[in-house]
Amino acid sequence: ETGVTQTPRHLVMGMTNKKSLKCEQHLGHNAMYWYKQSAKKPLELMFVYSLEERVENNSVPSRFSPECPNSSHLFLHLHTLQPEDSALYLCASSDWGQKETQYFGPGTRLLVL
Amino acid sequence: GESVGLHLPTLSVQEGDNSIINCAYSNSASDYFIWYKQESGKGPQFIIDIRSNMDKRQGQRVTVLLNKTVKHLSLQIAATQPGDSAVYFCAENSGNTPLVFGKGTRLSVIA
Repeated sequence: ETGVTQTPRHLVMGMTNKKSLKCEQHLGHNAMYWYKQSAKKPLELMFVYSLEERVENNSVPSRFSPECPNSSHLFLHLHTLQPEDSALYLCASSDWGQKETQYFGPGTRLLVL
Repeated sequence: GESVGLHLPTLSVQEGDNSIINCAYSNSASDYFIWYKQESGKGPQFIIDIRSNMDKRQGQRVTVLLNKTVKHLSLQIAATQPGDSAVYFCAENSGNTPLVFGKGTRLSVIA
């Protein structure tokens, strides 16, 4: 596969569940990002990783926990989410020196019941 | 705070006509702008970009215009096709945050 892939594409979970979203990039980039996309709102940057180190955490609740084991993989661990967390979660990657040019995955559509 | 926004949430155009999607930005320090296209069920895809030292840039069937005086950005799509139906986002970069996105405009092409 090429580009940025995300799994699962759709996820339904209860508020007490624990689940993880996975992102993988095949572009040789060294920076990865998690975004939240809600209806009628701009894309919200959640986390930024550069060379596997978290460099930005935009006041995201602790029920979202990112993990970047290597420059090709990024996870978002979910625990005790709220219904308002239902959204499309997008992963992106870039070269850190060109972080304005990001390539996005297809997203995971999350529904929290 | 600084923000990027779009004038119109929806736009309907006849197939073959030209489309113009507008974007206003408020951060005068932004020096790089991008237009993304997001089709249903997909992530945003890069369309075209422009740096602040330019006022116009052309791609294949798309043109981006930048007016720094009024902090306005537009995307023009020539001979709009059904495959152009999507949500279009502008994004800005001022160097501090990688990208700040607008809310998006949904373009519907009428066959």
